[in-house]
Amino acid sequence: ETGVTQSPTHLIKTRGQQVTLRCSSQSGHNTVSWYQQALGQGPQFIFQYYREEENGRGNFPPRFSGLQFPNYSSELNVNALELDDSALYLCASSSAGTDTQYFGPGTRLTVL
Amino acid sequence: AQSVAQPEDQVNVAEGNPLTVKCTYSVSGNPYLFWYVQYPNRGLQFLLKYITGDNLVKGSYGFEAEFNKSQTSFHLKKPSALVSDSALYFCAVRDKTNQAGTALIFGKGTTLSVSS
Repeated sequence: ETGVTQSPTHLIKTRGQQVTLRCSSQSGHNTVSWYQQALGQGPQFIFQYYREEENGRGNFPPRFSGLQFPNYSSELNVNALELDDSALYLCASSSAGTDTQYFGPGTRLTVL
Repeated sequence: AQSVAQPEDQVNVAEGNPLTVKCTYSVSGNPYLFWYVQYPNRGLQFLLKYITGDNLVKGSYGFEAEFNKSQTSFHLKKPSALVSDSALYFCAVRDKTNQAGTALIFGKGTTLSVSS
């Protein structure tokens, strides 16, 4: 069974640029959630995708957007990057109707 | 507002001694509670969860947690700590106000340091 994978591992961007992060869900999981973990903080929920549609959102502005593909993989897009967007971005997958999310290793984004 | 608190930034324990990592929560209704562990430069690994039933929940790597409704707590425990248990531990509660059925609210995390 393949776990949750994310790419890239690390990314450095400049303020104002756009970034796309990718996630492949664990085999058999059809729901993907994205979290932002700032340094020294717990993860914060960004949004969740199920059946290729956004299924709930946390307190993040619209410049954070996403996609889910038919194979359940997902992308997180962030436009107009700000310095405060520097964080570890975590993807988590789960099966609809179950309670446990399984996390990937994360993508470390640095905005200069 | 729903929230999770981990009152200790760091817990230090000697190898072989019992360990406790504390967590309290604030949520309306019955909580769905989780513990995750994070090793350096790694994602979060699921340890255990409480949904309903027995207040003592057993999880991975010998960890267990005790749900206490009257104290709104869900402390993580292990009878005998290992050096390899040293990591960052997060308590989380399901956000019942979010449309997303499984959105989690995390605490700030507690660093566990086990000395040999």
